[in-house]
Amino acid sequence: AQSVTQLDSHVSVSEGTPVLLRCNYSSSYSPSLFWYVQHPNKGLQLLLKYTSAATLVKGINGFEAEFKKSETSFHLTKPSAHMSDAAEYFCVVSVVFQGGKLIFGQGTELSVKP
Amino acid sequence: GAVVSQHPSWVICKSGTSVKIECRSLDFQATTMFWYRQFPKQSLMLMATSNEGSKATYEQGVEKDKFLINHASLTLSTLTVTSAHPEDSSFYICSASRYRTGDTEAFFGQGTRLTVV
Repeated sequence: AQSVTQLDSHVSVSEGTPVLLRCNYSSSYSPSLFWYVQHPNKGLQLLLKYTSAATLVKGINGFEAEFKKSETSFHLTKPSAHMSDAAEYFCVVSVVFQGGKLIFGQGTELSVKP
Repeated sequence: GAVVSQHPSWVICKSGTSVKIECRSLDFQATTMFWYRQFPKQSLMLMATSNEGSKATYEQGVEKDKFLINHASLTLSTLTVTSAHPEDSSFYICSASRYRTGDTEAFFGQGTRLTVV
């Protein structure tokens, strides 16, 4: 079975400082991993995805994530936080051979202080 | 990118009535769609897998008689919450899967906020 665990339920940073949102995964197969962002009362927006190509994945809005098989991690980073980054972030794994079925992590709420 | 439209974006209904939510893939065909439910401050929980032309597959603990799913065409899946009660109030989100050679990607609707009063 596949699963993801987001290690922090809430992260608070100051504007202009780096962002690190942590995610560990569990999968018997080579996983497809995603990071989604959700602003309050909104749908989901895909930030980036890993599908066994380059281990360092660049996404939108300056976010990137590195797939580390040895650590079973897929942490999300951004060099400099912006106020508009405040939102809920989900680490997600795709269930193998089930046509796009996704398993969501618990979510990390990112707060950005001025 | 592909577009998935979910309607309505919000709905308020009286307890005991039924509510239908539509999920449409606008520019691609989706043989598989998924329905998720999200409670406030919580993650998305998969409710069911909707397969075009066949019965939906429900996750454990989801009442199939309460949450009726129909996937009559390659671009439309509907979720009907029957005899809704206040505890059914939640945010419902659909996703549609687009298949390309060697890759399957899920695209999400905007979500529907259901409030049962």
